[in-house]
Amino acid sequence: EVQLVQSGAEVKKPGESLKISCKGSGYSFTSYWIGWVRQMPGKGLEWMGIIYPGDSDTRYSPSFQGQVTISADKSISTAYLQWSSLKASDTAMYYCARLSGSYYGGYWGQGTLVTVSS
Amino acid sequence: EIVLTQSPATLSLSPGERATLSCRASQSVSSYLAWYQQKPGQAPRLLIYDASNRATGIPARFSGSGSGTDFTLTISSLEPEDFAVYYCQQRSNWLFTFGPGTKVDIK
Repeated sequence: EVQLVQSGAEVKKPGESLKISCKGSGYSFTSYWIGWVRQMPGKGLEWMGIIYPGDSDTRYSPSFQGQVTISADKSISTAYLQWSSLKASDTAMYYCARLSGSYYGGYWGQGTLVTVSS
Repeated sequence: EIVLTQSPATLSLSPGERATLSCRASQSVSSYLAWYQQKPGQAPRLLIYDASNRATGIPARFSGSGSGTDFTLTISSLEPEDFAVYYCQQRSNWLFTFGPGTKVDIK
């Protein structure tokens, strides 16, 4: 059974750094793209970027380029999303999704709620 | 960047009625379009991919059509569990974007 398990909720202050994770199981982790999606409170879905864990090829959506870093450690089947300096506007639910063979979000993690507040 | 618009923003219907949701792209995305359902407190669920293919386990009452810039998601007869927000998403040229969503609520 394909599963994506994300790390737990975080509460941070503006300016702090953060790295959240998404662990894949039940499939070949290196063979499928994983994407990250932001959902701000009460708002819609936004693709942030995708990574191919097999070779770490990474593509960012223009709105998120330079704002976050997406990475993966294939030895532990885990993808990451990180910030070097959080802002209050980063407060959101973040989902990881495994792309299907047709490159859509076929499997999703449960989401990680990030709250940034002074 | 390709922009997706969805209409209507909200659709108020009764169980058993037919729902027709629209998604329009700012330029052609060929058939590279998906539909997702999201319920409160849950992750999105893939319903339709490549415009008209149902994802695994999705009931036959959900169908998708269209190509190029105009797409439609149809729910033939609404079940109580279908009241949710629906998003379209395109995957052209590795730049993925979602539409703003259509909320289907109970009339």
